[in-house]
Amino acid sequence: DAGVIQSPRHEVTEMGQEVTLRCKPISGHNSLFWYRQTMMRGLELLIYFNNNVPIDDSGMPEDRFSAKMPNASFSTLKIQPSEPRDSAVYFCASSFEGSPLHFGNGTRLTVT
Amino acid sequence: GQQLNQSPQSMFIQEGEDVSMNCTSSSIFNTWLWYKQDPGEGPVLLIALYKAGELTSNGRLTAQFGITRKDSFLNISASIPSDVGIYFCAGYLSGTYKYIFGTGTRLKVLA
Repeated sequence: DAGVIQSPRHEVTEMGQEVTLRCKPISGHNSLFWYRQTMMRGLELLIYFNNNVPIDDSGMPEDRFSAKMPNASFSTLKIQPSEPRDSAVYFCASSFEGSPLHFGNGTRLTVT
Repeated sequence: GQQLNQSPQSMFIQEGEDVSMNCTSSSIFNTWLWYKQDPGEGPVLLIALYKAGELTSNGRLTAQFGITRKDSFLNISASIPSDVGIYFCAGYLSGTYKYIFGTGTRLKVLA
């Protein structure tokens, strides 16, 4: 079991640029979650998918953020345009039918 | 977003000491989870609890699902340097698809 795979591990970009974060969930898991972690706000749920369908995106901070899950093995989180306050660690996690979440190792995003 | 209250926020302890931390919520949950996060990595599941009153151990770790279903406790016995990290609780309510995470307890162990 390869676990949840996220890429890139680190991303440094300039304000205004588009950023795309990628996630491959554990094979067989049907729920996928995107979280953002900062010192000030801890782990925040941004959006989650069930069977590839977005169920709740109320945690997405602004229209600059969008997420897709075109198939059961791939999801993206896009920020366009990026801003310095978007700097954080972004985690993807997956689960099956309410089983405990399994997290990837995150993408550390720095927007200058 | 909604978060659970964890305490303490941080702890400095001597190697060999026991550690206790807890998590409280205003809502009830069907499942309580405890995770540990090492620097530069994602949270890793330590213990999962599925029934009110349940007490479960994983090596030196013991966790309990509170009777009211609104709280949970994690104890670490005889701490060692590799216990350093951030410990998160998470609550899950069946049918909601949502895992609500605590604010974290940052543990530092002094050798």
